[in-house]
Amino acid sequence: DQQVKQNSPSLSVQEGRISILNCDYTNSMFDYFLWYKKYPAEGPTFLISISSIKDKNEDGRFTVFLNKSAKHLSLHIVPSQPGDSAVYFCAASPGNKLVFGAGTILRVKS
Amino acid sequence: NAGVMQNPRHLVRRRGQEARLRCSPMKGHSHVYWYRQLPEEGLKFMVYLQKENIIDESGMPKERFSAEFPKEGPSILRIQQVVRGDSAAYFCASSPTGTGANVLTFGAGSRLTVL
Repeated sequence: DQQVKQNSPSLSVQEGRISILNCDYTNSMFDYFLWYKKYPAEGPTFLISISSIKDKNEDGRFTVFLNKSAKHLSLHIVPSQPGDSAVYFCAASPGNKLVFGAGTILRVKS
Repeated sequence: NAGVMQNPRHLVRRRGQEARLRCSPMKGHSHVYWYRQLPEEGLKFMVYLQKENIIDESGMPKERFSAEFPKEGPSILRIQQVVRGDSAAYFCASSPTGTGANVLTFGAGSRLTVL
């Protein structure tokens, strides 16, 4: 029962360009969405979040867009930097926990 | 202000042995979550606890797995009679309250290898 899906296992982007990571969900009861970044041998770290009542949230180089009608959210990173290379997890909250997608490996080439 | 502390970082067990993973939440956090990451997969929710209470264990396997968060001390995830399929990274996270709007802060994880 995959309620949160990240259909792209990996993404490769040139340094300085935009990285767009996508996430789809099926549960219309999700009220909060988050993105986490994970480096090897470390725990996930929080990146940015968005409430279901908004359609955009921006924090520096990171912007999250939410399209409720399509049940789709995306994370934009611009400009991309080599240090952004990591696994990115989309997560959604039905209230008392987070449901995670399978992750997308982002590689930023210099 | 230490973050979420998990130990051991690496644990090797033979089939049939017991594994105990410990998690100390961030100071001031009274809500603890356990997640499991199998190879090539995302994070799967296992259990959500508050002090002395299990709030949601819908992701816990029905047998061999148990979790506790006592009044004093760390949260413990216990796996009895481990099998090779239990090999995974187990992540603990904590938050100050249990609502979905709260950001979970994760520990570095405990990697269990079952021989």
